[in-house]
Amino acid sequence: DAGVIQSPRHEVTEMGQEVTLRCKPISGHDYLFWYRQTMMRGLELLIYFNNNVPIDDSGMPEDRFSAKMPNASFSTLKIQPSEPRDSAVYFCASSLVLGRWNTEAFFGQGTRLTVV
Amino acid sequence: DAKTTQPNSMESNEEEPVHLPCNHSTISGTDYIHWYRQLPSQGPEYVIHGLTSNVNNRMASLAIAEDRKSSTLILHRATLRDAAVYYCILDSGSARQLTFGSGTQLTVLP
Repeated sequence: DAGVIQSPRHEVTEMGQEVTLRCKPISGHDYLFWYRQTMMRGLELLIYFNNNVPIDDSGMPEDRFSAKMPNASFSTLKIQPSEPRDSAVYFCASSLVLGRWNTEAFFGQGTRLTVV
Repeated sequence: DAKTTQPNSMESNEEEPVHLPCNHSTISGTDYIHWYRQLPSQGPEYVIHGLTSNVNNRMASLAIAEDRKSSTLILHRATLRDAAVYYCILDSGSARQLTFGSGTQLTVLP
């Protein structure tokens, strides 16, 4: 398996534009996570899915952020409209739950978003 | 949620052992202790995890205090490639999510 694949790796957009980040989890994993990383706030969990269903989106900062997982092999994180303070590195991760505990979470390489 | 406390930074010399401490005094009996690390410009990667007993794998060892209020990640021979931010995380299992703190920035000196 190629691991968790995120695209694009870098995105530069103008304030007010819509941005869509994409993630392909590892095949067979039943949990998918979206994280955001900034110097000020570190790694923050935005939302996570179990079997394509959103379980906890309490970390999503505003209504401008939305995430979907239409099938087991694809997820998107959309920001509309984007603002400069959304500039960060966005990571997608997936994991497999066995029994009570998570196996290791595998992270993608991240998408570096710059909103100007 | 149970929290962890780690030093902001540590230094080590290449090819020497490194002991990275983590305090988790409010850990519950069912919390697993996970360690992840983040190399520069990469996503976090799993290092090791444990519950009560000490654990070893190809990357590192995890020593867990008898009262489980602290743990130590041990890199037996640090290399320059081990320079990273190391995160100690408690996993209750119920939320299925990892909450990252600020971690320890490890610098390895040649």
